[in-house]
Amino acid sequence: DSGVTQTPKHLITATGQRVTLRCSPRSGDLSVYWYQQSLDQGLQFLIQYYNGEERAKGNILERFSAQQFPDLHSELNLSSLELGDSALYFCASSDGTLVGNTIYFGEGSWLTVV
Amino acid sequence: AQTVTQSQPEMSVQEAETVTLSCTYDTSENNYYLFWYKQPPSRQMILVIRQEAYKQQNATENRFSVNFQKAAKSFSLKISDSQLGDTAMYFCAFMDSGGGADGLTFGKGTHLIIQP
Repeated sequence: DSGVTQTPKHLITATGQRVTLRCSPRSGDLSVYWYQQSLDQGLQFLIQYYNGEERAKGNILERFSAQQFPDLHSELNLSSLELGDSALYFCASSDGTLVGNTIYFGEGSWLTVV
Repeated sequence: AQTVTQSQPEMSVQEAETVTLSCTYDTSENNYYLFWYKQPPSRQMILVIRQEAYKQQNATENRFSVNFQKAAKSFSLKISDSQLGDTAMYFCAFMDSGGGADGLTFGKGTHLIIQP
């Protein structure tokens, strides 16, 4: 158990809909990352937050947004969903105070868009 | 942007054998961090081993060790005395010294199968 908690574990929704994925980082970790894992694109970095502020942005679509709340949990919002958004979405966390600190992953949220 | 290449999509070895997974990367940075993550069928991403580029000594964690060749930009993972539970996807990952404007950059992965 990495200590990173993600909900829901599985989600099936229709095209055009909006979903919210939630993440609680490891106790004491200030940085939260979101990654997408799909068959064709592999593991892709979406976005990083540190102590409530956006720190880095990767290949995140404009239809997607994220935020980190004062209690450090994070949410990834996916809207106007398309079939191609079906993927495993990982949240990860790290201490964030030192570069190169280990990033610990949650178990992921399986999103299926039908 | 950095790239990470894992040239072996799949490997299969017998239990108790030693296996080496290859990883090369491309960067203009001098200081950075390299990782191997394991993803078993449960899909959990589990850290296997971590290497800091400024350290010449190769990292070791029990049966897992790396061969880090900085000049060649190579970071291979050696698994000794392989066990059935080692069956998984293995991902090599890179993080730059700035904390990773791209977060972790992953390779495509190697599917390792340990045969009984």
